[in-house]
Amino acid sequence: AQKITQTQPGMFVQEKEAVTLDCTYDTSDPSYGLFWYKQPSSGEMIFLIYQGSYDQQNATEGRYSLNFQKARKSANLVISASQLGDSAMYFCAMREGVTNAGKSTFGDGTTLTVKP
Amino acid sequence: EAGVAQSPRYKIIEKRQSVAFWCNPISGHATLYWYQQILGQGPKLLIQFQNNGVVDDSQLPKDRFSAERLKGVDSTLKIQPAKLEDSAVYLCASSLEPGQGSWSTFGSGTRLTVV
Repeated sequence: AQKITQTQPGMFVQEKEAVTLDCTYDTSDPSYGLFWYKQPSSGEMIFLIYQGSYDQQNATEGRYSLNFQKARKSANLVISASQLGDSAMYFCAMREGVTNAGKSTFGDGTTLTVKP
Repeated sequence: EAGVAQSPRYKIIEKRQSVAFWCNPISGHATLYWYQQILGQGPKLLIQFQNNGVVDDSQLPKDRFSAERLKGVDSTLKIQPAKLEDSAVYLCASSLEPGQGSWSTFGSGTRLTVV
């Protein structure tokens, strides 16, 4: 069975500093994709970054990077140079299988607060 | 491009009443998802459609929830009869196919309160 664990209910970071949000996962499928989404207080989920299980390099998208450690089954999100607008809930998600038809599972999220 | 449209934005009903939510995905997105997000939790997948066929509905409480996606475009999710524990945000999302890396685009959600 799939499982996503986000162990940090809440995190604080000073503006302009970097922060790491933890995510560990569990699956028996060798093919899977890992996603991070941001959910501001407005409620809409916003896609941030994707990492495939066979990708050799860590994914990066602007200020977001994914620290993928396959052997440890972890996919931590790193946000560099935090901004006040980064304050939101962050969800790690996994989809198993080789297409987007696989089952999606989300973690329970981490609330990030950026302090000025 | 237009995003995923959902309506209504908010709904308050009494327990045992019925309610329906509507979703129109991004044009051309073959995959459509309905999620239930209870306050303080991550989204839980209720049902996934590929075009107008159901791919996964293993977590859909079929005794009270139903969903359909006619013509492989827009979709409705119905609850009948509603229970207090159904109070949640119902999120609709869509994604392109094929490709494992195809991320989902979410709508703004419908916040349901059952009293």
